[in-house]
Amino acid sequence: GENVEQHPSTLSVQEGDSAVIKCTYSDSASNYFPWYKQELGKRPQLIIDIRSNVGEKKDQRIAVTLNKTAKHFSLHITETQPEDSAVYFCAASEGGFQKLVFGTGTRLLVSP
Amino acid sequence: GAVVSQHPSWVICKSGTSVKIECRSLDFQATTMFWYRQFPKQSLMLMATSNEGSKATYEQGVEKDKFLINHASLTLSTLTVTSAHPEDSSFYICSARTYVQPLAGDQETQYFGPGTRLLVL
Repeated sequence: GENVEQHPSTLSVQEGDSAVIKCTYSDSASNYFPWYKQELGKRPQLIIDIRSNVGEKKDQRIAVTLNKTAKHFSLHITETQPEDSAVYFCAASEGGFQKLVFGTGTRLLVSP
Repeated sequence: GAVVSQHPSWVICKSGTSVKIECRSLDFQATTMFWYRQFPKQSLMLMATSNEGSKATYEQGVEKDKFLINHASLTLSTLTVTSAHPEDSSFYICSARTYVQPLAGDQETQYFGPGTRLLVL
């Protein structure tokens, strides 16, 4: 089955810096890659996703890139703000739009 | 749009009792709902996939007789933790899949409920 690895497990940046979180997946058939933000004690919130037919997608300060050949995808947050502090999870779909397999999460801390 | 609710938000129960958790899609029809468990500072672990009108598909290692799932309608799925024990204490989150068909082809997105924190004493 699908296996998703996520790095780093923790990331501390200064406000205004950029943050990059990377994930790799094992199943070449996976074709949907969402990113979720989870604040303490709350539900995961979808922040951006990408399908396998595109290599990059951007939404204001957030962007995701996908390298299908290398089977890795990354989340890029620019001009970070303290409210970006949360745990971020990547995920990959297994078997084509079926269940999601989640990465282990990255705890992002943005210091003012 | 795409709002998912979950009830209760937290529950404390005695060991040996059963607890039912409801997951509802409020403004869309969800043909598929997923149940996850999340332990502190860990990732989301899929427990089962629930399709409306059919039996749930459980992940390896998840006891189907202990975690009963019912998906009776397109907007409601329930998870019952039977004979709960302290090791079942966790954060249980459901998600519902909405089917969105853009011009480019078929695509789907999962939206999560707020979660239910279960504490078994």
